[in-house]
Amino acid sequence: DTEVTQTPKHLVMGMTNKKSLKCEQHMGHRAMYWYKQKAKKPPELMFVYSYEKLSINESVPSRFSPECPNSSLLNLHLHALQPEDSALYLCASSQDSPGANTGELFFGEGSRLTVL
Amino acid sequence: GQSLEQPSEVTAVEGAIVQINCTYQTSGFYGLSWYQQHDGGAPTFLSYNALDGLEETGRFSSFLSRSDSYGYLLLQELQMKDSASYFCAVRDEVDYGQNFVFGPGTRLSVLP
Repeated sequence: DTEVTQTPKHLVMGMTNKKSLKCEQHMGHRAMYWYKQKAKKPPELMFVYSYEKLSINESVPSRFSPECPNSSLLNLHLHALQPEDSALYLCASSQDSPGANTGELFFGEGSRLTVL
Repeated sequence: GQSLEQPSEVTAVEGAIVQINCTYQTSGFYGLSWYQQHDGGAPTFLSYNALDGLEETGRFSSFLSRSDSYGYLLLQELQMKDSASYFCAVRDEVDYGQNFVFGPGTRLSVLP
């Protein structure tokens, strides 16, 4: 199984809603990532979890709250978002062992979020 | 800080060879990856260089020169399906984790 699965694929929410994006992988990868991508822009790193601990938080607003319940799951909790937060949210995973690292991120298909 | 540069657009015809360059200035560096992304899709991994030199994977090759902070992706025998955006990404390692920072992307258009 070389897949990263993200749900939902599409999400529309109001600025007062609370929702969550979910990501799952069963490749035994110990690093998991959230990226945000706007149209015609590169993926922009938001959070990195390494061995289920948050290792990188790229100054993301607190209305985005990540959670890593176990080594296979990654969530992104959304609350009080703004219309400018509308984007494609990509989850990815990778091996996190320098000696074994192939430089490859395995991406899910993304969750396309629209904030009204 | 992290800074990567790529050409914004490249156009070529089917069957041709195209080279997409990437220069980087980063505080840390462990390797350079390349990703392809079709419109509406997710990025998919193409190649990775941790050491200087050329890596070949089928029609795609990638080159790295660490001393010049420069790499390129070479696409041969171009096909229409190669029309996509291509991103270079620097792999860095930080305390308790690693980080991949993406370049701005190059949009490749392959013409018949």
